[in-house]
Amino acid sequence: AQKITQTQPGMFVQEKEAVTLDCTYDTSDPSYGLFWYKQPSSGEMIFLIYQGSYDQQNATEGRYSLNFQKARKSANLVISASQLGDSAMYFCAMREGGNQFYFGTGTSLTVIP
Amino acid sequence: EPEVTQTPSHQVTQMGQEVILRCVPISNHLYFYWYRQILGQKVEFLVSFYNNEISEKSEIFDDQFSVERPDGSNFTLKIRSTKLEDSAMYFCASSLQVLRTSGGTQQFFGPGTRLTVL
Repeated sequence: AQKITQTQPGMFVQEKEAVTLDCTYDTSDPSYGLFWYKQPSSGEMIFLIYQGSYDQQNATEGRYSLNFQKARKSANLVISASQLGDSAMYFCAMREGGNQFYFGTGTSLTVIP
Repeated sequence: EPEVTQTPSHQVTQMGQEVILRCVPISNHLYFYWYRQILGQKVEFLVSFYNNEISEKSEIFDDQFSVERPDGSNFTLKIRSTKLEDSAMYFCASSLQVLRTSGGTQQFFGPGTRLTVL
């Protein structure tokens, strides 16, 4: 089974609108961390937001928030007030108790002016 | 702000040649990682390194690959005899620590080295 599943290969959003990028994960480890990274066309990986499995509240970082639903094993990224510069690939990732990160296949987000 | 650096940004090599990809992790970080991303595909874990030894590796990281921390700052990935399918973007990353109770702290990625095997 895939550790991280991102079911949306491509998404479009109007500038200034909010968008939700889906991510589900699979683990039996009670201790894990969930991450979202942005990869613009230039190729670098930019950390956006982190949610620990024991965190009681959803993580937020500026315009990014993580909708963490532990029972459903989902960790959706919400981007509010989309900007043209948000157009990029977005990867959901998980780290269990060890040192290995598992990445999803990514969602390509296009912000339309 | 401290950052992970990687050199070269682009490496072109002939099939069968050895390549060494270099990384300078953030100076106070203790855990180091290599990932690869074949064009258009997801990021794949290769290996993690701590206390001068490999702590985890994936099935991709076979005998053709090796890692080394030759001094206090560099972290290298060596591919002994490159194959066409080794063409990919290779990312180095580092993290300060591993906290089992929280699932871990974030990794900081370098800008990547694009390896092209001809």
